Amino acid sequence: NAGVTQTPKFQVLKTGQSMTLQCAQDMNHNSMYWYRQDPGMGLRLIYYSASEGTTDKGEVPNGYNVSRLNKREFSLRLESAAPSQTSVYFCASSVGAPGTEAFFGQGTRLTVV
Amino acid sequence: GQSLEQPSEVTAVEGAIVQINCTYQTSGFYGLSWYQQHDGGAPTFLSYNALDGLEETGRFSSFLSRSDSYGYLLLQELQMKDSASYFCAAPGTGGGNKLTFGTGTQLKVEL
Repeated sequence: NAGVTQTPKFQVLKTGQSMTLQCAQDMNHNSMYWYRQDPGMGLRLIYYSASEGTTDKGEVPNGYNVSRLNKREFSLRLESAAPSQTSVYFCASSVGAPGTEAFFGQGTRLTVV
Repeated sequence: GQSLEQPSEVTAVEGAIVQINCTYQTSGFYGLSWYQQHDGGAPTFLSYNALDGLEETGRFSSFLSRSDSYGYLLLQELQMKDSASYFCAAPGTGGGNKLTFGTGTQLKVEL
């Protein structure tokens, strides 16, 4: 049982380049998330998808777009990467009811130079 | 919006008991979750309090007081492997599980 799978695990981008972070879950969860975590800091929500076909902005959505492709997959796109987007990105999923356990992927370590 | 505040760092010795606090301000409140994150790893779920009071799971317990907008995670019989960051989190309004995380507390367990 793979859980939540993120690709890639590491990425270096030049300023202005674009890329898509992929996330897939095999637990039949309704809700999916994208968070970023900067060194020594907490997790900040970028986007949230309560169910297939819906997305909702989080605390820090600027510079990002998302697609909930189907129930399994939730991708995060950086259209024009900036050094301020250097971070560790985590995808997560949960059943969706308040307080239910969120399962996290192993993270994508992104550096923008 | 929501904000959840935690102390940035706590240090304790192996075998001791430590309490990690979380105070929150939310426009709507369903309950409080706790997550553990080891360096370089993914966060993992520890507990969820929907009601006031103490929930116990092995060496870890979590407490919630809605009237005080306050909760804590209690770790007993500390072990070196408990050295990690701990985050409180709360789902937002609307009935879903749109989680906002606290600022995080780094726990260092010393010999």
